[in-house]
Amino acid sequence: AQKITQTQPGMFVQEKEAVTLDCTYDTSDPSYGLFWYKQPSSGEMIFLIYQGSYDQQNATEGRYSLNFQKARKSANLVISASQLGDSAMYFCAMREGKPSNTGKLIFGQGTTLQVKP
Amino acid sequence: KAGVTQTPRYLIKTRGQQVTLSCSPISGHRSVSWYQQTPGQGLQFLFEYFSETQRNKGNFPGRFSGRQFSNSRSEMNVSTLELGDSALYLCASSLFGTPENTIYFGEGSWLTVV
Repeated sequence: AQKITQTQPGMFVQEKEAVTLDCTYDTSDPSYGLFWYKQPSSGEMIFLIYQGSYDQQNATEGRYSLNFQKARKSANLVISASQLGDSAMYFCAMREGKPSNTGKLIFGQGTTLQVKP
Repeated sequence: KAGVTQTPRYLIKTRGQQVTLSCSPISGHRSVSWYQQTPGQGLQFLFEYFSETQRNKGNFPGRFSGRQFSNSRSEMNVSTLELGDSALYLCASSLFGTPENTIYFGEGSWLTVV
């Protein structure tokens, strides 16, 4: 069965430093997509970055990059030059199947990131 | 470009009542999904609609229902509310046909059942 695992309930990082948030997944479908979202205390789920299972290169979006290791089934989020505004809950999520088939996501339990000044 | 809009943002209901939540997707998006988020269970998929048809359904009782209108706006309804229905309800929309099919969420509706 499909599953997303985030093993770090909470993380601390010093402002301006880089931080890696871990995510491992399990699926038997060769076609899948991996997402990272940021959720501040307000509740809104903010899309950060996407990686498709067939993408050859790791995804990057500004200060966010995804360290995609397909054989290990891991999709870790790297945030460079952390800012105080990065303090939030971060969720890794997976969509199985082709993008055209579904908008259903399976979420991990999330990692709370706190950035220290 | 407007994002996903959910209304109301906050509401308090009494056990046994029913509630309707509304979601307007990003313009042009035809897929709308709903999720329930609680501290104990995390984020759980409720259902997904595409072109007014339910495509997927999560493992929730029949008290949870939804629909989608011809303009892609969606509503979800919870009848006979229970205390355990207190949660953040998130709506997401996506545009099928793109390679990444990125899924965008709204700000959520905070439901408290007393």
